[in-house]
Amino acid sequence: GDSVTQMEGPVTLSEEAFLTINCTYTATGYPSLFWYVQYPGEGLQLLLKATKADDKGSNKGFEATYRKETTSFHLEKGSVQVSDSAVYFCALSTANRDDKIIFGKGTRLHILP
Amino acid sequence: NAGVMQNPRHLVRRRGQEARLRCSPMKGHSHVYWYRQLPEEGLKFMVYLQKENIIDESGMPKERFSAEFPKEGPSILRIQQVVRGDSAAYFCASSPSLGRRTDVNTEAFFGQGTRLTVV
Repeated sequence: GDSVTQMEGPVTLSEEAFLTINCTYTATGYPSLFWYVQYPGEGLQLLLKATKADDKGSNKGFEATYRKETTSFHLEKGSVQVSDSAVYFCALSTANRDDKIIFGKGTRLHILP
Repeated sequence: NAGVMQNPRHLVRRRGQEARLRCSPMKGHSHVYWYRQLPEEGLKFMVYLQKENIIDESGMPKERFSAEFPKEGPSILRIQQVVRGDSAAYFCASSPSLGRRTDVNTEAFFGQGTRLTVV
């Protein structure tokens, strides 16, 4: 079945470091791909998305490119801030009969000042 | 357009009581998902519902847990005879129906969650 695998955390970086959080997927058909972010004590918010191969989603300095050949959607940011500390979830959805959205397990990110 | 509304935000129950968690999806959304998040852990899928139908309940414990999404009114996640291990944050998400279109995918919108504490 469809699935999402993302790197396990926690990931700890210093402020202004480069961030990569890996995400790979398995899906039949042509999924849309998403990154959600959960700040402490809050619900999940959509961070960015890409709906077809080679699309690049971007928001708040974060980027992720839909790579069909490697079935990946890695999240990157060139210079992280303390305020980026959160849990990040990779997800996919397919327009199959049941339209289910599938999440990875989440990666906790700690940014040190 | 109001977002996904969950209530209550915080719920305290004694062991053995029932917990009822409510989720009103965004207007026009007919798909609802429930997830559970234990402290310091990721999201665990519980159940996926469309109006009046349970599509996938593979993540729901077989006993004490049930979910519904009636034709009118919010989706309800019900936990009977709660135990301490049920203490967690429960998140609801909604998305619109895609019908038979295969050229459009859309994201899920999340509520703020209900934090259940069993004492």
